[in-house]
Order: sequence, then structure tokens, then C-alpha cells
Amino acid sequence: AQSVAQPEDQVNVAEGNPLTVKCTYSVSGNPYLFWYVQYPNRGLQFLLKYITGDNLVKGSYGFEAEFNKSQTSFHLKKPSALVSDSALYFCAVRDPAGANNLFFGTGTRLTVIP
Amino acid sequence: GAGVSQSPRYKVAKRGQDVALRCDPISGHVSLFWYQQALGQGPEFLTYFQNEAQLDKSGLPSDRFFAERPEGSVSTLKIQRTQQEDSAVYLCASSLAPAFGNTIYFGEGSWLTVV
Repeated sequence: AQSVAQPEDQVNVAEGNPLTVKCTYSVSGNPYLFWYVQYPNRGLQFLLKYITGDNLVKGSYGFEAEFNKSQTSFHLKKPSALVSDSALYFCAVRDPAGANNLFFGTGTRLTVIP
Repeated sequence: GAGVSQSPRYKVAKRGQDVALRCDPISGHVSLFWYQQALGQGPEFLTYFQNEAQLDKSGLPSDRFFAERPEGSVSTLKIQRTQQEDSAVYLCASSLAPAFGNTIYFGEGSWLTVV
């Protein structure tokens, strides 16, 4: 069975500071990992994904994520936070040994303080 | 179209009423998914289509929920005899092909409130 954990419900960071949103996963096969962002009253927007290859993945809006197999983690990072980054962030996994759908974490609300 | 389109965006239904939610996936996308997102929660899988075939409906919460994609393009999620616990955002998503590495793109959702 697959699972995703986002241990922090809320992350606050000052504008201009680096940000990290944490995600750990559990799958039976090699994972396909995704990050999505959700703004108020909007759907999910794709940010980035890890399939294979380089452990550091770069995505939209200056975000990046690092795949760490030994720690089963896929933390989302950005070097310098913007107020406009404030939103709800979801980590998700697809398990090739499981069903063909995304399994989501519970989300982390990021607030960037001006 | 440019993105996944869903209608209606907002629906208020009286308890016991039937509702139908429409999804227009990105043109040419083979795979189509429906998710349910309760307030403050992550999206939860409902069902999956590959073209017109419904390959997985394991997430549908009860037999009041029914989905179809008869021509392999537009899909409809139908909820019969709505109940208050059905209040949620219903997200439709599509991807070009079934491969696990393909990105899944989401629509803006249909917000259902059952009163």
C-alpha cells in the first residue's frame, strides 16, 4: 500500500527567506513523486515531478525538490520565498506496483510573511 | 482545450436531489480521473478511465456515485440522492497516456454543497 505524509499542517516563512515543505512517502515499488499547489478556490496546479535520474528536480515558479531514497523523502524547496507563494501544497505519489492514480498527502499551508 | 474544464463550478443541491458534474479533459488525453476533496483535506481518488473504459472505480464511496465517459472524451460524475456528507469539491484530471510518469493535470473543480 502507498502512503504520503506531510508532517506540517502549517509553515510560516518570512519573505525572502528560504522555504522547505516536507514530504515522506511509502510505496512498494520505485516511486513517482509529484508536488501540486492549490490557491484559494482553485484546482491543483502541477509544480514538479520526480520520475528517475537526477535527485534534484526543478519546477515551476522557482521551486525545486530533492528525492532522497534512503530517507524516503521528497521535500519541496525554494531559495527565496515570495508573498505570492502563500498557498496549500500537496505532495503526491504514484506507485507503479499499485493502482494507476495519484495518492495525496493531507497538504501543508504555506504562509509567507511580508 | 487549453486545460481541463469542469462545470458547473458551483452547485447547491437539496438533500435527496440528483446532481451531474461534467468534465472536459485536455484534448487527446487518454486517461481521466475523478477525485473528491473535502474541506481541509487532500484529494481522494474516486475513479479512473482509460478512453471510454472505466478501469478503476474502487474509490467511489457508495452506489449512489456513478461515472461515465461514453466516447472517451467528456466525462460525467453523477451523484444520486445527495446527502450532506457529499459536500466537497469534485476534481477532474487528465493525462496524455496511462504511463505512471505522465503528469496529471487538474481542472478547477466543481464545488458541491448539499443543504
